[in-house]
Amino acid sequence: NAGVTQTPKFRVLKTGQSMTLLCAQDMNHEYMYWYRQDPGMGLRLIHYSVGEGTTAKGEVPDGYNVSRLKKQNFLLGLESAAPSQTSVYFCASSYSTPWEQYFGPGTRLTVT
Amino acid sequence: RKEVEQDPGPFNVPEGATVAFNCTYSNSASQSFFWYRQDCRKEPKLLMSVYSSGNEDGRFTAQLNRASQYISLLIRDSKLSDSATYLCVVNDGGYNKLIFGAGTRLAVHP
Repeated sequence: NAGVTQTPKFRVLKTGQSMTLLCAQDMNHEYMYWYRQDPGMGLRLIHYSVGEGTTAKGEVPDGYNVSRLKKQNFLLGLESAAPSQTSVYFCASSYSTPWEQYFGPGTRLTVT
Repeated sequence: RKEVEQDPGPFNVPEGATVAFNCTYSNSASQSFFWYRQDCRKEPKLLMSVYSSGNEDGRFTAQLNRASQYISLLIRDSKLSDSATYLCVVNDGGYNKLIFGAGTRLAVHP
């Protein structure tokens, strides 16, 4: 099992560009999450999904959109990137409760 | 006020030392508590859950004080491989989300 994978691992964007981060899990997990991690801030929840076809806003959803069309995939979109979105993005999944979350390796995004 | 507060450290300790981290949380409705571990430039991983009566997992002991809204992690006989950032995590009072503290960094030296 690959666990949780994230694509891409690194990306540099210019202000105003758009991109999609892909998260895939092969553990048949119901719950999936997108976090961002900034120095001194800890992990902050952007959006999450409790099942295929569902999404909900987390703590910092502005500037991001998500989709969960297939159970194994959770996509995070940035429509118009801003320097404030420079961060490390982690995807996570969990089986039927959020307690034990399995994280992907992260995507390091820089917006110039 | 942050929902989960931790001393950022770093805690610099020699091998074999005992070290303790504390964490406070603000939401009295939180009922599930965890410690996650994050190695440098890696993803977080669940270290252990924290139960009301306290629990041990080898060299690691977790304690919960609901009245004071306080969680602790004790590491005995520290190893070099324990060097990492330890994240205090609580649920948000519901059943869908976790709130992560910013972490406490531990550096174990020979």
